[in-house]
Amino acid sequence: AQSVTQPDIHITVSEGASLELRCNYSYGATPYLFWYVQSPGQGLQLLLKYFSGDTLVQGIKGFEAEFKRSQSSFNLRKPSVHWSDAAEYFCAVGGNTDKLIFGTGTRLQVFP
Amino acid sequence: ETGVTQSPTHLIKTRGQQVTLRCSSQSGHNTVSWYQQALGQGPQFIFQYYREEENGRGNFPPRFSGLQFPNYSSELNVNALELDDSALYLCASSRSATRGADTQYFGPGTRLTVL
Repeated sequence: AQSVTQPDIHITVSEGASLELRCNYSYGATPYLFWYVQSPGQGLQLLLKYFSGDTLVQGIKGFEAEFKRSQSSFNLRKPSVHWSDAAEYFCAVGGNTDKLIFGTGTRLQVFP
Repeated sequence: ETGVTQSPTHLIKTRGQQVTLRCSSQSGHNTVSWYQQALGQGPQFIFQYYREEENGRGNFPPRFSGLQFPNYSSELNVNALELDDSALYLCASSRSATRGADTQYFGPGTRLTVL
């Protein structure tokens, strides 16, 4: 079955600390992987995507993610978190059908 | 370049009523996908429209239906509303469903409350 697992429901970090949000997927074909961010009451903003090529991808706002096929993972990282990064983060997987399967999200809280 | 827009922003309906949500796709995009996001959950795929034809459907009953117009804007219709239909409905557009997976750009969503 196709699925995305985000094991951390809620993460709290101090401003300036590093961040890693975990994402594991199950997908029968070549996966296309995405990270989106959602602020309260808002739509989804694309942070970064992986289709092929270099397994370390750079995104907006200083985020990066690494695709590890052997671990079926696509973890999101940021070296230094800012208070404005507080939001809900969603990992998603897609394929040739263009339908996205989302995880349940990780809520990030940032303390000053 | 205009992004994805949705209307209305918020909507309150009662059980059994019908609702229509609207979406305008981003310039240059001919594919629209609709998602339902219940509170505290990730978005769930409802269906996708490509060049005015349904191009894939998720696990939603037939009372969820849609349309896509020649200008690639789209409507989501839900009949016989149930309390569980209360959710944020997100529309996303992408350049072309025939290109394989492409980046989907999301609108701000419509918050539907069913009483």
